[in-house]
Amino acid sequence: EAQVTQNPRYLITVTGKKLTVTCSQNMNHEYMSWYRQDPGLGLRQIYYSMNVEVTDKGDVPEGYKVSRKEKRNFPLILESPSPNQTSLYFCASKEFANSGNTIYFGEGSWLTVV
Amino acid sequence: ILNVEQSPQSLHVQEGDSTNFTCSFPSSNFYALHWYRWETAKSPEALFVMTLNGDEKKKGRISATLNTKEGYSYLYIKGSQPEDSATYLCALSITDSWGKFQFGAGTQVVVTP
Repeated sequence: EAQVTQNPRYLITVTGKKLTVTCSQNMNHEYMSWYRQDPGLGLRQIYYSMNVEVTDKGDVPEGYKVSRKEKRNFPLILESPSPNQTSLYFCASKEFANSGNTIYFGEGSWLTVV
Repeated sequence: ILNVEQSPQSLHVQEGDSTNFTCSFPSSNFYALHWYRWETAKSPEALFVMTLNGDEKKKGRISATLNTKEGYSYLYIKGSQPEDSATYLCALSITDSWGKFQFGAGTQVVVTP
């Protein structure tokens, strides 16, 4: 079954404690991306990756890092989380960024920073 | 940041009624428009991807049209059912920034029996 898997699904953490949200896809997609969803703002793109070792900033990259060492994995790293990073995060993948193919989303990760 | 606007922000529909709502976007450098259906506690689910001016797509009772020259897309729900209750998102990709997708804030649809 085609899947984008995120972990953890739910996390409460404290300000400043580094955390990583993992994302893995089993569809051999070249393109992967991270979004955050906040009420009234829709999905905002944090970072995206066109392929292995190729990453670029989206609209809201501040406070986040990513890496793409393998095609299937695209972890999101919060080096020093702050309360304004409390949000619902979605990972997504797609076959070739420059085509009209469907974006597949993970189930989301609820992150609370206290 | 691309300006993708969805209207209305929310709407309430009686079961059996038809409805439609809009996604507006800048028409320059258009590449593709995506529509997604998102239910709370689930992943956004792809409905349509449209690339050509005049495109019309249909999936069951839901259909969409695209006008790239004037920069809008309509999503129609015919004979709304309670299971159509969800937030409908549109997303735009443009030709000079392949990896970026700009989502609208969504239209929340509530269908009451």
